[in-house]
Amino acid sequence: EDQVTQSPEALRLQEGESSSLNCSYTVSGLRGLFWYRQDPGKGPEFLFTLYSAGEEKEKERLKATLTKKESFLHITAPKPEDSATYLCAVRHNTDKLIFGTGTRLQVFP
Amino acid sequence: DTGVSQDPRHKITKRGQNVTFRCDPISEHNRLYWYRQTLGQGPEFLTYFQNEAQLEKSRLLSDRFSAERPKGSFSTLEIQRTEQGDSAMYLCASSWRGDKTNTGELFFGEGSRLTVL
Repeated sequence: EDQVTQSPEALRLQEGESSSLNCSYTVSGLRGLFWYRQDPGKGPEFLFTLYSAGEEKEKERLKATLTKKESFLHITAPKPEDSATYLCAVRHNTDKLIFGTGTRLQVFP
Repeated sequence: DTGVSQDPRHKITKRGQNVTFRCDPISEHNRLYWYRQTLGQGPEFLTYFQNEAQLEKSRLLSDRFSAERPKGSFSTLEIQRTEQGDSAMYLCASSWRGDKTNTGELFFGEGSRLTVL
């Protein structure tokens, strides 16, 4: 059964303190790994899609990487506006996305 | 196009009442998904449509839940005889699925928050 596990559940960072969020997955035939950002009371906002091991994508202070068993979302020099829940998902063979429980990031000035 | 729209954004109802949510997807998208999210959890898949055809339903979707997409455009999700356990955020998402193009990204609306008293 396809499964996504994210760690840590919560992360508190000082502004400028770089860190990484982890997403480990088990899926029969990866057809895409997705990262989303979700602000409180809002819907998830699409960030990245990764398709194969070794692939990397960047957007501002965020960089997503993928191996055969996990993905990392690296946050470089975060700012308070980066505070949000970051969700990871894998694409099932029926095209639905299966989500992890997310990492709640808080960045303090 | 301004993205996926959901209505209402908030709904408070008493146990036993029926509620209906509406979702308007991005206009050129042929796939529409419904997810449910409770506090501290990731979105859980409920069902999805390609055009007007409902292609998959989760076992989470009890017989009190029904979803429709009658003309392949907007969709409704109805919950009959609501229970307190139905309290959650109901998220709608859409995507484009073509014969050769299928990148898989889902674009979500802002959600409809249901509170059952």
